[in-house]
Amino acid sequence: EIVMTQSPATLSVSPGERATLSCRASQSVSSNLAWYQQKPGQAPRLLIYGASTRATGIPARFSGSGSGTEFTLTISSLQSEDFAVYYCQQYNNWPRAFGPGTKVDIK
Amino acid sequence: QVQLVQSGAEVKKPGASVKVSCKASGYTFTSYYMHWVRQAPGQGLEWMGIINPSGGSTSYAQKFQGRVTMTRDTSTSTVYMELSSLRSEDTAVYYCARVGSTSCYAYWGQGTLVTVSS
Repeated sequence: EIVMTQSPATLSVSPGERATLSCRASQSVSSNLAWYQQKPGQAPRLLIYGASTRATGIPARFSGSGSGTEFTLTISSLQSEDFAVYYCQQYNNWPRAFGPGTKVDIK
Repeated sequence: QVQLVQSGAEVKKPGASVKVSCKASGYTFTSYYMHWVRQAPGQGLEWMGIINPSGGSTSYAQKFQGRVTMTRDTSTSTVYMELSSLRSEDTAVYYCARVGSTSCYAYWGQGTLVTVSS
């Protein structure tokens, strides 16, 4: 079973600044890695799939990179609506697994 | 457009069972597997299992084996998740989720809060 970890647990960022979130898999998941954004009281929203492809309607300030076991989500210039929790998820193996999340809050 | 509409919140006593529904629309119901994911209060996302709406086959996370049953009704385009022998740790929001053109979750239900309390 693959275990996903994320760092940091909380990231405090000022609006307009860059945010870099990390995700690690306990074994290779190739590029089968997705990122989701979740705001309070809402279902998660798919941001990135295939480690680096933005989902439909996702702004270009969101970008993903990595393969194998190390992945990064970068938000180039944080907007007010980007303060949320971000989860990575592997879909290379069963069972599917999510990371514990990174909360991005306002500095 | 794809829509997944779930049943309303439930309050159950320890030891009881709960059955949550997820009604799909906007696509061919039998063409996409449906997953169930849960989220305890203030916690992360946990994958529970998957059902093939076409044939009804299922696969469950080991943690829930023996306690969870996923079924479907093709006449109403609805999938169900039943969890038995509820305990307080099962208090969570339960989501149905469907993959898109890739194997990740492009579509989510609105979530159903299940509270287990005596």
